[in-house]
Amino acid sequence: QQQVKQSPQSLIVQKGGISIINCAYENTAFDYFPWYQQFPGKGPALLIAIRPDVSEKKEGRFTISFNKSAKQFSLHIMDSQPGDSATYFCAASKAGNTGKLIFGQGTTLQVKP
Amino acid sequence: DTGVSQNPRHKITKRGQNVTFRCDPISEHNRLYWYRQTLGQGPEFLTYFQNEAQLEKSRLLSDRFSAERPKGSFSTLEIQRTEQGDSAMYLCASTLSRVNSPLHFGNGTRLTVT
Repeated sequence: QQQVKQSPQSLIVQKGGISIINCAYENTAFDYFPWYQQFPGKGPALLIAIRPDVSEKKEGRFTISFNKSAKQFSLHIMDSQPGDSATYFCAASKAGNTGKLIFGQGTTLQVKP
Repeated sequence: DTGVSQNPRHKITKRGQNVTFRCDPISEHNRLYWYRQTLGQGPEFLTYFQNEAQLEKSRLLSDRFSAERPKGSFSTLEIQRTEQGDSAMYLCASTLSRVNSPLHFGNGTRLTVT
C-alpha cells in the first residue's frame, strides 16, 4: 500500500517531442505528489508538485496531470530538449510531512537532437 | 540560500570500518531527512529530524546506523562495521515543517565498501 509504481523505465524522445511519464499510487492518504529530476552524480531536484484538489498544474514546459479516482498522475514535458535528458522520479507523501517521500523507480529520459 | 551541503562527496572504505557523513541543511529549515539511493532505484527514506529531535526511523535503518542532529543544525550519519551491501548514495534533504513545503536535496555522499 506504500508503493508508487512508475513507467516506463526508459524513454527516448526526439528533440521537440513530448515526453510522458506515468505513476500510480495505492495509499489514498497521500495528498502531495512531486516530480524530481536527477542528473548523474547529483541529488534529485524538485521540478513541480501537485495536490489532489487540482487536476492539472503547469510550470513552463512541465505539466502534471492528476486523476484522483484512478490514483494516477503523470508528467508531460513539452518541446523536449537534449538538456532534459536525466532520470525523473515521481513521489508521494502526506502534505503534513512532505519530506517523507515514497519514490517511484525512476524513468531515464534521453532526448535525441 | 546556499543549498544543502554534504561531505564528503565520495567515501571508499573497507568492510568492517566505521564511516561518518555530514549534512548541512538550508539554514532556516527545521526538518532534516536522510535517504539512501542504490543504482537504478529511487531514494528510500531512512530517518528524519525536526530540530534536534529524531522523529522517525525506517526499518531500513539497522542497528549499525545512527544519526544525530545536535543543536538542530547540521546532522551526521554514522555506519558502524560497514558491509558491502551498505554501498550506496546517501542523500540528505531539508525542508520547513509547513504543509506543502518542498524538500531540497543535497548532492549526496557516494559510499563504496570494498
